[in-house]
Amino acid sequence: AQKITQTQPGMFVQEKEAVTLDCTYDTSDPSYGLFWYKQPSSGEMIFLIYQGSYDQQNATEGRYSLNFQKARKSANLVISASQLGDSAMYFCAMRGLTTGGFKTIFGAGTRLFVKA
Amino acid sequence: DGGITQSPKYLFRKEGQNVTLSCEQNLNHDAMYWYRQDPGQGLRLIYYSQIVNDFQKGDIAEGYSVSREKKESFPLTVTSAQKNPTAFYLCASRKGTGNSDTQYFGPGTRLTVL
Repeated sequence: AQKITQTQPGMFVQEKEAVTLDCTYDTSDPSYGLFWYKQPSSGEMIFLIYQGSYDQQNATEGRYSLNFQKARKSANLVISASQLGDSAMYFCAMRGLTTGGFKTIFGAGTRLFVKA
Repeated sequence: DGGITQSPKYLFRKEGQNVTLSCEQNLNHDAMYWYRQDPGQGLRLIYYSQIVNDFQKGDIAEGYSVSREKKESFPLTVTSAQKNPTAFYLCASRKGTGNSDTQYFGPGTRLTVL
C-alpha cells in the first residue's frame, strides 16, 4: 500500500535559519514522484518542489531543496533562510504507478511557525 | 492569467440540502480532481476525471457526485446523503498522467452545514 508519513505535527524555526521538514513514504512502485506543497492560512495549496524516483540529483527550487534518500524512503524538505511568510502547513505527497498514475496521496502535514 | 477558480469561497448549507461547488480551469488540463480537507488533516480524494465525460470515485465518494461535460469544468455536488459535509474542498487539475506532472490547486471552498 502507498503511504506518506509526516511525523512532525508542528515545527518552530527562527527567522533566517534553515529548517528540515520530514517525510517518509512507502511504495512498491519502481517509478514514482514526490511533491511538497505549502498551504498558508488562506487555504490554497501551493506547489513547491518535485523529485522523481529516478532523478540522480536532489531537487532544488530557490530556498527549497529536497533531501531525497531513496534507500531510506525519505524525502525531507529543507527551507533555507526562513522568512516570516514561510509560516504555513506543509504537505508531502506521492504519486506512482500503483495508483494508476492518476491519484496523489498526501501526508497529514507539518505546521511550520517562523519566529521573528 | 491561467489558473483554477472555485466558487463560492464560503458556502453555508442547511441539513438535507444539496449544494454544488464550482471548479473551472483555463489551463487546458486533461485531469481534474476534488479533495476534501478536514481541520488539521491532509487531503482525501473524492472524485477525479481524466477526460471529458469520464470520472472515477476516489477514496471518499459516498454522498458526493460530479460531472465533466466540459474540459474546463468539474462541479462537485454535495448531497444530503453526505453525513458530515462541513469541510474545506479543494479542486485541482493536472496536464498529463506522468509522475512528474504537477497538480495545481484552486483557492478552495469552505462548506459549513448549519
